[in-house]
Amino acid sequence: DAKTTQPPSMDCAEGRAANLPCNHSTISGNEYVYWYRQIHSQGPQYIIHGLKNNETNEMASLIITEDRKSSTLILPHATLRDTAVYYCIVRVARTNAGKSTFGDGTTLTVKP
Amino acid sequence: DVKVTQSSRYLVKRTGEKVFLECVQDMDHENMFWYRQDPGLGLRLIYFSYDVKMKEKGDIPEGYSVSREKKERFSLILESASTNQTSMYLCASEAYHSPLHFGNGTRLTVT
Repeated sequence: DAKTTQPPSMDCAEGRAANLPCNHSTISGNEYVYWYRQIHSQGPQYIIHGLKNNETNEMASLIITEDRKSSTLILPHATLRDTAVYYCIVRVARTNAGKSTFGDGTTLTVKP
Repeated sequence: DVKVTQSSRYLVKRTGEKVFLECVQDMDHENMFWYRQDPGLGLRLIYFSYDVKMKEKGDIPEGYSVSREKKERFSLILESASTNQTSMYLCASEAYHSPLHFGNGTRLTVT
């Protein structure tokens, strides 16, 4: 599975949109982009995933560039509870397990 | 809602002890994983399994073994615990074409 690159930290004002970037320049055609977040002392929580189209759910939106080499997770109205480490990973959906490489992620701090 | 349950939240063991970390999922997922998480090193994959009695090494399998006798249960075994195995251990499961679901972790301290 391809590797990803994320900025180590970002700040965002409460109520504003948080835009978290991820580079995955070596992504293959059959690899999905997944986003997770980890709030302190809990396990990572799934947020959203996509292949090539933009995706939206109740938590966030995912924008994938046309060449699929990068993506952005958007939290439209960040709250203090969105302070967490956000991980972007790419992997193939398949019947047998594949290695999912989690980097250090981006620590998002939402400030009042 | 998928539930991945890890048997202990905190565990303290002595050097040389045999340690069992248990993980159970309730959604009939085929794939299960064990990660460890250390500051500055992110999540690192120890072992994974895509079927009962099947296992594959991840990136850092040394010093660990696993057991999957039933589909819902995946155990991580530290044959002889050492202080450098002090860490947060995370179990996860997934079905084909679904995201990973993680447990809340076991913080293991080896003294």
